[in-house]
Amino acid sequence: GAVVSQHPSWVICKSGTSVKIECRSLDFQATTMFWYRQFPKKSLMLMATSNEGSKATYEQGVEKDKFLINHASLTLSTLTVTSAHPEDSSFYICSARGVATNEKLFFGSGTQLSVL
Amino acid sequence: RKEVEQDPGPFNVPEGATVAFNCTYSNSASQSFFWYRQDCRKEPKLLMSVYSSGNEDGRFTAQLNRASQYISLLIRDSKLSDSATYLCVVNIQGYQKVTFGTGTKLQVIP
Repeated sequence: GAVVSQHPSWVICKSGTSVKIECRSLDFQATTMFWYRQFPKKSLMLMATSNEGSKATYEQGVEKDKFLINHASLTLSTLTVTSAHPEDSSFYICSARGVATNEKLFFGSGTQLSVL
Repeated sequence: RKEVEQDPGPFNVPEGATVAFNCTYSNSASQSFFWYRQDCRKEPKLLMSVYSSGNEDGRFTAQLNRASQYISLLIRDSKLSDSATYLCVVNIQGYQKVTFGTGTKLQVIP
C-alpha cells in the first residue's frame, strides 16, 4: 500500500503555544488529505478536508482559525494547532489519497498531542 | 439517521469462532466501500475493499448489499491478533466525501 508519514509522533507543549503537525505522502501524489482527531476510546472525528492548492473545508464545529491547515503541495499537508489549550490534547491523524490509491485512504501514524 | 452506522460492540468471541459485522449506509449514491482495522492508539489500516460481487482474503470475507444498503465483514477462525476495532468506510457522492462508521470493537478471547 501507499505510505503516509506523519510527524511528530507525539508532542508535549505548554498552554498557549502553537504546534505544527506534518503529513506527507511518500510514494504518491495526494490530491486530497483529511485531518482527524480521536479521543481515547472514541471514534475518529473528521476535522477538515484539504485539496492541494485550495482552502481546506472544515467540518461543523471545527474552528478554522484555531486549526490551520495548509496543503501547498501534492505531498505535504500541515495542521497547526494555534494557542493550544489542554482541551486540545488528543490524537491527531491524517489520511491521504490520490489517483494512484484508487479511492483508498492511507493514514499517517498519528500524533499524540498533550497540552499542559 | 447517521450516514454510516455500525454496532459499536464489543463483540467478545472465543478463538476459532466465526464473527460477522454489518455496516449500514444511508446514501444510495455511495460508490465505494472499505473495511479498516484500528488497533488501540494506532492509525487505521486498510483491511480490504468491498466489491459488489463479494470478495475474500484469507479468513476475511466482505460483501455488499446495495438493495439493503449495508456491507458486511465475516472473520472465520478468529485469532487473538484479530482483536481490534473494525471501521467501515463509505465514499459518498463520488470522490469528494469519505465517511467512517464509529467502528465495531472485537475482542477475541483465549
